[in-house]
Amino acid sequence: KAGVTQTPRYLIKTRGQQVTLSCSPISGHRSVSWYQQTPGQGLQFLFEYFSETQRNKGNFPGRFSGRQFSNSRSEMNVSTLELGDSALYLCASRYTSGTRGDTQYFGPGTRLTVL
Amino acid sequence: GQQLNQSPQSMFIQEGEDVSMNCTSSSIFNTWLWYKQDPGEGPVLLIALYKAGELTSNGRLTAQFGITRKDSFLNISASIPSDVGIYFCAGRSYASGGSYIPTFGRGTSLIVHP
Repeated sequence: KAGVTQTPRYLIKTRGQQVTLSCSPISGHRSVSWYQQTPGQGLQFLFEYFSETQRNKGNFPGRFSGRQFSNSRSEMNVSTLELGDSALYLCASRYTSGTRGDTQYFGPGTRLTVL
Repeated sequence: GQQLNQSPQSMFIQEGEDVSMNCTSSSIFNTWLWYKQDPGEGPVLLIALYKAGELTSNGRLTAQFGITRKDSFLNISASIPSDVGIYFCAGRSYASGGSYIPTFGRGTSLIVHP
């Protein structure tokens, strides 16, 4: 079974631009979560989608948004990029949302650099 | 918000030594998770703990869910070079949206000298 895939793996943008990152979950998984990882703040939860609906949202500004499609693939968008948005963005999928023993599998991440 | 204190921040050890790292929280969690992240990869789940006092092993790895539900530790016995990486703890609690949201520690960077 293929793992979680994320595209692109690396991205360089300039301040003020917007960016869209893509995540394809493991086949059959309906829950997709997004995380931001930086050396200063560590791993922080952005949001989770389940069956095309946002279930939870972390403490990030409205410039960060996401969506999930009917095939469970998810995209996250960051508008008006700032230097501090430079980070590794990780996507994770799991079969359901809310099941205690449900293992979450991470993708390799997209490394975003904002110049 | 919830805070996780993970220590130590980094460890430099000789192959064959045992390793211990821990996480403490100001809040109670329902689940404690331990992950390992290799360079250029996403975190991989090592051990999941679901009950206070639970002690679980996965090969050379052993983790425990603290009785107070505010802490957890991970031990690695007889370390080998491939244990190199960053180890994260995560506490998980039930969010209002009907899902479990993890809070991650800052990670412990482990370097094993052959």
